[in-house]
Amino acid sequence: GAVVSQHPSRVICKSGTSVKIECRSLDFQATTMFWYRQFPKQSLMLMATSNEGSKATYEQGVEKDKFLINHASLTLSTLTVTSAHPEDSSFYICSAAKGGEKLFFGSGTQLSVL
Amino acid sequence: QQQVKQSPQSLIVQKGGISIINCAYENTAFDYFPWYQQFPGKGPALLIAIRPDVSEKKEGRFTISFNKSAKQFSLHIMDSQPGDSATYFCAAAYSGSARQLTFGSGTQLTVLP
Repeated sequence: GAVVSQHPSRVICKSGTSVKIECRSLDFQATTMFWYRQFPKQSLMLMATSNEGSKATYEQGVEKDKFLINHASLTLSTLTVTSAHPEDSSFYICSAAKGGEKLFFGSGTQLSVL
Repeated sequence: QQQVKQSPQSLIVQKGGISIINCAYENTAFDYFPWYQQFPGKGPALLIAIRPDVSEKKEGRFTISFNKSAKQFSLHIMDSQPGDSATYFCAAAYSGSARQLTFGSGTQLTVLP
């Protein structure tokens, strides 16, 4: 299957700092990528849809100024959690669509804000 | 209308048994139904997917059964193994959504040795 690389896998930061998470499609071009958030033992919650060369579309209730998304190329999307607070601690996962329908996920990033 | 309801929340099966997870959807516009497997601390991995024009799809030990009239679909894992212990998510999407998936709530499967 296609490979979606997500980095870092784990990050610990102090409250008030910003953290950037990268999502790369390694063997295909992805015009659309998605960012999810997942709390322990819960399902994936879609945060935003990232489109190459245009502004991301955020889901209702997701603060676009806190979760900055940049999709500067067909293989890279980044999520920056700005001024992180403990309540932002979560597992963040990206995904990319290959071809018509198959969606492939990154390995996730566990963010812990102290 | 965007909901996908998944059951059971957790499932314990003996090695060699059959694991069955069920999902129901509401939006009849959905036309793509994948199942994902997720291990702790990892992203979901696509297991198998089906379109509504077929009633069953089998890949190895994994089978999706699809009932369009009932708006239900299920995952069957034959000869379940301890290595299958993971969380399983069903999902649904529709054309024109850029494959924006609606996920079920997940099923924690434990296969006892």
